[in-house]
Amino acid sequence: KAGVTQTPRYLIKTRGQQVTLSCSPISGHRSVSWYQQTPGQGLQFLFEYFSETQRNKGNFPGRFSGRQFSNSRSEMNVSTLELGDSALYLCASSGIQLGGYTFGSGTRLTVV
Amino acid sequence: SQQGEEDPQALSIQEGENATMNCSYKTSINNLQWYRQNSGRGLVHLILIRSNEREKHSGRLRVTLDTSKKSSSLLITASRAADTASYFCATVPSQGGSEKLVFGKGMKLTVNP
Repeated sequence: KAGVTQTPRYLIKTRGQQVTLSCSPISGHRSVSWYQQTPGQGLQFLFEYFSETQRNKGNFPGRFSGRQFSNSRSEMNVSTLELGDSALYLCASSGIQLGGYTFGSGTRLTVV
Repeated sequence: SQQGEEDPQALSIQEGENATMNCSYKTSINNLQWYRQNSGRGLVHLILIRSNEREKHSGRLRVTLDTSKKSSSLLITASRAADTASYFCATVPSQGGSEKLVFGKGMKLTVNP
């Protein structure tokens, strides 16, 4: 079956702009989580959605937001981009059975 | 915030040798998972061990969990050059009401042919 699909793969934005990243989970998976990976902070949890509801949110400013649609696809948005937002953004989906998460290949965001 | 701490942070071995990575964490957990990442790409789930389990095997992987010491170890036997990657432990805290993963800083494994 198809894996987790993240688009776009690479993105270059200017400070102050906003960006929307997309994630399509594995078919049937209703839980979608987002993570930010940077060399300095490592992998940090952004938020988790389940059946269109945000179940948990990490310690990120309000500029970071997300949503999940009825087909379980998810988007995350970052407004007023800062240089420090440059990172690899990873999306992961999980099914009902607790077997670990399946991650997408990520979106590499560069803010200049 | 990161809960896990992998040890060592980097390991270089020869093909065929075994590689052992250790992970320590701080709070009580539902389960602990190990992931592999190649060159800044997506993470690949390797193995999950529940808090009531002590040892688990999957192919060349063996993971142990000691909840009293809040630690886990991942053993890769008969390593191959293709095992070269960064490895992360991740815990699912027992408090929080969701399945969010709390990652360690990761460990870079290099397997030399």
